[in-house]
Amino acid sequence: QQPVQSPQAVILREGEDAVINCSSSKALYSVHWYRQKHGEAPVFLMILLKGGEQKGHEKISASFNEKKQQSSLYLTASQLSYSGTYFCGTESDKNSGGSNYKLTFGKGTLLTVNP
Amino acid sequence: DGGITQSPKYLFRKEGQNVTLSCEQNLNHDAMYWYRQDPGQGLRLIYYSQIVNDFQKGDIAEGYSVSREKKESFPLTVTSAQKNPTAFYLCASSIWVKNTEAFFGQGTRLTVV
Repeated sequence: QQPVQSPQAVILREGEDAVINCSSSKALYSVHWYRQKHGEAPVFLMILLKGGEQKGHEKISASFNEKKQQSSLYLTASQLSYSGTYFCGTESDKNSGGSNYKLTFGKGTLLTVNP
Repeated sequence: DGGITQSPKYLFRKEGQNVTLSCEQNLNHDAMYWYRQDPGQGLRLIYYSQIVNDFQKGDIAEGYSVSREKKESFPLTVTSAQKNPTAFYLCASSIWVKNTEAFFGQGTRLTVV
């Protein structure tokens, strides 16, 4: 079952901030975030593990709320290079009946940063 | 250079024919995955493999088959039973199945006419 991402698309001006959300109906072991530019392979951004860990990567950070089975990706002071489709990938917690060996992705959020 | 190689980049086949997509990695990764990407659908998991000679069905395995005879290789066969095979196919690998980043190949765009 795919995690649900929101919003589906967002348009920003350079320098603005954005938040992309990812939620699952299953208890999660970890959440991955990737960015894909048009015609290219997805590129890894970060992994968050069960435990409410928050991570950062340049001006991109993320949080993981395991109680709500949600993760959010924060993009601050956006740059033109941030444009692309962002995917969250989830691994379900074995205790919830899921397989924590299967990485399942959401439908993606298309981010467009304009000058 | 280490990485994942998918070939070919573009592939055309007639309806009713089986076709095999190649995926090779020299990263010494244990786990390999196949995803299908359609507009608006994200990445949907077809098959994945944790070790040689073992693989598991993903969410949309019907009409596909795989093999994992070597650690480096994880070919995907799109059979004639796949009702809508035209799509962009991505192969990925990781050191271990959980808790590590996945590295993706550049993809194969399959068009069935």
